[in-house]
Amino acid sequence: QKEVEQDPGPLSVPEGAIVSLNCTYSNSAFQYFMWYRQYSRKGPELLMYTYSSGNKEDGRFTAQVDKSSKYISLFIRDSQPSDSATYLCATHNTDKLIFGTGTRLQVFP
Amino acid sequence: DAGVIQSPRHEVTEMGQEVTLRCKPISGHNSLFWYRQTMMRGLELLIYFNNNVPIDDSGMPEDRFSAKMPNASFSTLKIQPSEPRDSAVYFCASSFSAGTGELFFGEGSRLTVL
Repeated sequence: QKEVEQDPGPLSVPEGAIVSLNCTYSNSAFQYFMWYRQYSRKGPELLMYTYSSGNKEDGRFTAQVDKSSKYISLFIRDSQPSDSATYLCATHNTDKLIFGTGTRLQVFP
Repeated sequence: DAGVIQSPRHEVTEMGQEVTLRCKPISGHNSLFWYRQTMMRGLELLIYFNNNVPIDDSGMPEDRFSAKMPNASFSTLKIQPSEPRDSAVYFCASSFSAGTGELFFGEGSRLTVL
């Protein structure tokens, strides 16, 4: 079993839709969770960072962690074409990050 | 602020040739990571350094792969001999290990082995 599992998509939604991206992880000891966004032919960039369980909101983005079910979610409200990218979840294991395979999102006008 | 700088951006080579990828981390960062990204396997950690010392190379696929960090501002990833299955995008990332663990990625080196 992979340490972090993520549905690769692709996910295609109309502009203005609410998007839900999800990951599961295997190790209950993981405490730090991140979402990275990767535009085509670019390196990943940190989008959201959360510690332990709960929600964190930043503008149109909300990151949610449910440690009881080992489930990580990213919600995007009022999605825009500029949100089209690959979204990677990651968890921080001591000194290194372990990434999911990424979900490709396409928001069409 | 220059960010993480990788070279070359694109490399096309023939099977059996030696490939060297280069990385300059962000000044002041003391951790450096090499990742490989493919459609099938996503981002895989190959090796990481802390204060120029290799800490974990368990992700290096074979002896054909080697990485060095001779000083705080430079690292190389070498593949010798290269094979078609090494075709991927190789990313270098750096971080300040005492911080939140946020990684700053370069733009990647796209390797094609024919």
